[in-house]
Amino acid sequence: GAVVSQHPSRVICKSGTSVKIECRSLDFQATTMFWYRQFPKQSLMLMATSNEGSKATYEQGVEKDKFLINHASLTLSTLTVTSAHPEDSSFYICSAAAGDHNEQFFGPGTRLTVL
Amino acid sequence: GQNIDQPTEMTATEGAIVQINCTYQTSGFNGLFWYQQHAGEAPTFLSYNVLDGLEEKGRFSSFLSRSKGYSYLLLKELQMKDSASYLCAVTDSNYQLIWGAGTKLIIKP
Repeated sequence: GAVVSQHPSRVICKSGTSVKIECRSLDFQATTMFWYRQFPKQSLMLMATSNEGSKATYEQGVEKDKFLINHASLTLSTLTVTSAHPEDSSFYICSAAAGDHNEQFFGPGTRLTVL
Repeated sequence: GQNIDQPTEMTATEGAIVQINCTYQTSGFNGLFWYQQHAGEAPTFLSYNVLDGLEEKGRFSSFLSRSKGYSYLLLKELQMKDSASYLCAVTDSNYQLIWGAGTKLIIKP
């Protein structure tokens, strides 16, 4: 099946720093990539949808200047959490879809802890 | 608005059968997914239903009734490793996934 990787799997950073998370589709071309955030004991919350070569579409309430998304190629999307604060600590999961994107393939997730 | 409802938590016994229900109200429908998520891990795909009826895959089966906006995930011969959260998600008319809050399934020996 389709494989999606994320890097890093876990990151701890100081408040005020920026953190970049990479999402790669390893064996298929992902026309669309999705970024989710999941707080403990809560469901996945879609943050943004990105199509290769175009600007990401952010969900209501998600600050586009704080969560920078770049989808430069069909196999790579990055999420940069700028000036991270403790409340940004969460589990960030990306998914990738090909073609009619009826199915999303999930990355393993990145655990971000901001001190 | 769009809404997906599923029970918060269920408990079952090892070796038994459990059914997790999911009801949805969405703008359009392009399929329903069930995912399994163990604590601290990303979701893994279990099943996809777009037509009415029952899809069986090993110990897991998923049922869909589009007219009722209803689905269930049936798990047979429960094993301890089945303890996880089970997420119901619907693809709406814009092909966006709308997620339920998940059902935490606890398996007891």
